Amino acid sequence: QPVLTQPPSVSAAPRQRVTISCSGSSSNIGNNAINWYQQLPGKAPKLLIYYNDLLPSGVSDRFSGSKSGTSASLAISGLQSEDEADYYCATWDASLNCWMFGGGTKLTVL
Amino acid sequence: QVQLQESGPGLVKPSGTLSLTCVVSGASISSDNWWSWVRQPPGKGLEWIGEVSHTGSTNYNPSLKSRVTISVDKTKSQFSLKLSSVTAADTAVYYCVSSLLGVGTFDYWGQGTLVTVSS
Repeated sequence: QPVLTQPPSVSAAPRQRVTISCSGSSSNIGNNAINWYQQLPGKAPKLLIYYNDLLPSGVSDRFSGSKSGTSASLAISGLQSEDEADYYCATWDASLNCWMFGGGTKLTVL
Repeated sequence: QVQLQESGPGLVKPSGTLSLTCVVSGASISSDNWWSWVRQPPGKGLEWIGEVSHTGSTNYNPSLKSRVTISVDKTKSQFSLKLSSVTAADTAVYYCVSSLLGVGTFDYWGQGTLVTVSS
């Protein structure tokens, strides 16, 4: 059971908006910044959001992140077929003394 | 352009030691950043293995700590992973990762290298 809980899958139609949740506790999300990664099939993960809501250079502003308490969310607006991928949240867990990844969420664009 | 490139044997025997190296280009491995290893078993999620700083300080995943050594060689602009006493459960794609934007940002990833543990 991952420390960070994500839904195994989400789906939405093109041009729609979808959100992916990441639920944790006070030892991780509640007191540390969260990052989000996109992993296209057969590729290495790519940083999408860092420090809760910051976009790295070159990442589309269709992606946005937020955090509240012990949960965080990744939102993708204007869905495109190329957004089909696995998405992971990650943060530091102070109890485990470890960087932790969520179990991942597979996004399907219908 | 920051690039990381993993190299090492793709096949390791059970009970042996997995050894990988990551060469860094486009960024200084001597800068005040952390350099990590992350792995992904086939069809599964991501697992952080550990990290090393430019000074050689390390942090390891507690679940792997007894078997892991990560080191840095600034003269060669590379850092390395050794994982001992491997079993089939250590079969995975291994990624080397930088955190240049900040602590734990994991912003640049190598392409990954598949290591299979099998006799």
